[in-house]
Amino acid sequence: GNSVTQMEGPVTLSEEAFLTINCTYTATGYPSLFWYVQYPGEGLQLLLKATKADDKGSNKGFEATYRKETTSFHLEKGSVQVSDSAVYFCALSEKGAQKLVFGQGTRLTINP
Amino acid sequence: DSGVTQTPKHLITATGQRVTLRCSPRSGDLSVYWYQQSLDQGLQFLIQYYNGEERAKGNILERFSAQQFPDLHSELNLSSLELGDSALYFCASSLTPGGQGASYSPLHFGNGTRLTVT
Repeated sequence: GNSVTQMEGPVTLSEEAFLTINCTYTATGYPSLFWYVQYPGEGLQLLLKATKADDKGSNKGFEATYRKETTSFHLEKGSVQVSDSAVYFCALSEKGAQKLVFGQGTRLTINP
Repeated sequence: DSGVTQTPKHLITATGQRVTLRCSPRSGDLSVYWYQQSLDQGLQFLIQYYNGEERAKGNILERFSAQQFPDLHSELNLSSLELGDSALYFCASSLTPGGQGASYSPLHFGNGTRLTVT
C-alpha cells in the first residue's frame, strides 16, 4: 500500500540555520504530495503541496519539490525562525482520493 | 482558526466505557474525515463522509462507528474502550469529496479531542 517515510526527529536548530526535513514515499501511480504543520495545541495546517512531478510547492519561506525519480518531497527553508518550531508531517493522497496518508512527523525546535 | 470545531477538547474515561466525539465542519464544507493520532501508530485515517454518506474507510476498528447528520456535523462513537484507544482524535473537513478527475480539495483540521482511557 501507499506509505510515507520521514526523517527521524526531533530536529533542533539555531535561528537562521538552513532546514531540510527528508520525506520519501511509496505509491502506485502519481500521488499528490503535501506538507502539513502542527503547532502546539492545534490541529494540522496545510503548509504547501505539489500535484505532479517537478512541481515546487512553496509557502512562508518553505519549499519542497516533487521528485518522481527519487520518490521524494523534501522540505527546505533557508533561514528558520523560532516561530517555525512545530511538528511537520509529510503526506500523500492518491489521484482522485481525498484521504491523506501521513508520515510519522518530525518535531522541529528552533533555539534563539 | 480552521473553522472546524471539535468537542470536547479532553475526555477521560475508564476501560469498557463508550464515548462520543463531535465535529462541526467548516461552513460550506460537505465532507468530513476522522483521524486518530497516537504515539505508536502516528496519524491514521479512520473514515470519511460526504453529505451524510460513508465515502471511504480506513483503519477503523469494529468497536468504532461514525455518522454524518443532515446538518453535516459528524460524530465518532468509540465503545468497549481499551487503554490502547488513548489518542488524539482529529476531525477534518473539505469542500468536495474527491473522485476520479476531481481536483484536490484541501483538508481543514480541527484542534482535536484528546481521549485518555484509564
